[in-house]
Amino acid sequence: IAGITQAPTSQILAAGRRMTLRCTQDMRHNAMYWYRQDLGLGLRLIHYSNTAGTTGKGEVPDGYSVSRANTDDFPLTLASAVPSQTSVYFCASSDVDGGVDTQYFGPGTRLTVL
Amino acid sequence: GQNIDQPTEMTATEGAIVQINCTYQTSGFNGLFWYQQHAGEAPTFLSYNVLDGLEEKGRFSSFLSRSKGYSYLLLKELQMKDSASYLCAVRDGDYKLSFGAGTTVTVRA
Repeated sequence: IAGITQAPTSQILAAGRRMTLRCTQDMRHNAMYWYRQDLGLGLRLIHYSNTAGTTGKGEVPDGYSVSRANTDDFPLTLASAVPSQTSVYFCASSDVDGGVDTQYFGPGTRLTVL
Repeated sequence: GQNIDQPTEMTATEGAIVQINCTYQTSGFNGLFWYQQHAGEAPTFLSYNVLDGLEEKGRFSSFLSRSKGYSYLLLKELQMKDSASYLCAVRDGDYKLSFGAGTTVTVRA
């Protein structure tokens, strides 16, 4: 089934630990995104990639890094997790469909940093 | 930066109509999206407006006025399964999406 997968589904992490959230899409979309969703704040863009080999910073990039070695994968790394990074993380991808560049979201990763 | 405002919560009765308003102030404008998000799930695409006017898609319609920085999502013939959060998102001049905090709609029998 075509779509976006994320792993893990949920994770509890000790502060200071390194963590990589995985995201894979099989729709051959050029652009991919990472968002975090916090209660009352909505979705906020962390990092994005318009095409394989390129990445850019979103609204809240500090403490996070990404890489885009190929079209399908877009991992998000927390080098040294802090409690304020407790959130639900959504990966998304997009491509132009019928003239509209629509983003499609993965199921999310619920991360708790203690 | 972007400023996107929508009500926090709305409640309506099954079979009724609900209108969710969204106002925005963004640096550049390249379209407005509405997404639906059920609790614990991913957002799913509902509608897209880039020109002024009404876009109808079944029970859901979305309206845009670019000069007023205003959009609404109209949900007709409400069903229990429509209980969800509805997210307004604006694509700015850099083609990045900025989201409002979402409106939680509760449908009561």
